[in-house]
Amino acid sequence: QVHLLESGPGLVKPSETLSLTCAISGASTTTSYWNWIRQSPGKGLEWIGYFYYSGSSNNNPSLESRVTISLDTSKSQFSLNLRSVTAADTALYYCARGLGPPQRGHFDYWGQGKLVTVSS
Amino acid sequence: SDDLSQPLSVSVSPGQTASITCSGDKLEDSYVAWYQQKPGQSPVLVIFHDTRRPSGIPERFSGSNSGNTATLTISGTQSIDEADYYCQAWDSRPAVIFGGGTKLTVL
Repeated sequence: QVHLLESGPGLVKPSETLSLTCAISGASTTTSYWNWIRQSPGKGLEWIGYFYYSGSSNNNPSLESRVTISLDTSKSQFSLNLRSVTAADTALYYCARGLGPPQRGHFDYWGQGKLVTVSS
Repeated sequence: SDDLSQPLSVSVSPGQTASITCSGDKLEDSYVAWYQQKPGQSPVLVIFHDTRRPSGIPERFSGSNSGNTATLTISGTQSIDEADYYCQAWDSRPAVIFGGGTKLTVL
């Protein structure tokens, strides 16, 4: 059974960098693409981006300039860095496994979510 | 498609059929997936590749995608199906896009 678990600070100051890690168990990192998705309080889902085991990545154009996603296959984990955060980045952050080729795929396993609040 | 539109809410009586639509420009050119999210829980995949059900998802869940509209249909709706439902596709950039979500009420 695939299990994903997000970790990282729950509070980040405005203008700083939000950093989260997703630990992967029960799945190989080299057969899927690994995504970050967020959900603002009481709102819908927003895709942030993915990192593919081949080394390619793709991000939401609206966040592109602030996002870096990386994959560490030796540790079976992937990470999110979101720079220059504001209160609008306060959200529940999910990691999720992508299946099917990127551009045609879907998300079959999700983490439990990590609430991150941006506040001074 | 750059935006996916869903109705804010759908109501259905127990045992009846619920239909939730997802509209977007040339949506049939993309595979559509559907997710169920109950309060305080992570989303769960219920339909992928327009019509396919993951293992463990009841047969009462089905999907279709034609033209500019994808539809999630729940036959014989049960109270446990009450949840928010989100459609998901890819646009031409390419980027993942989600619908705004539909709250399904079973009453």
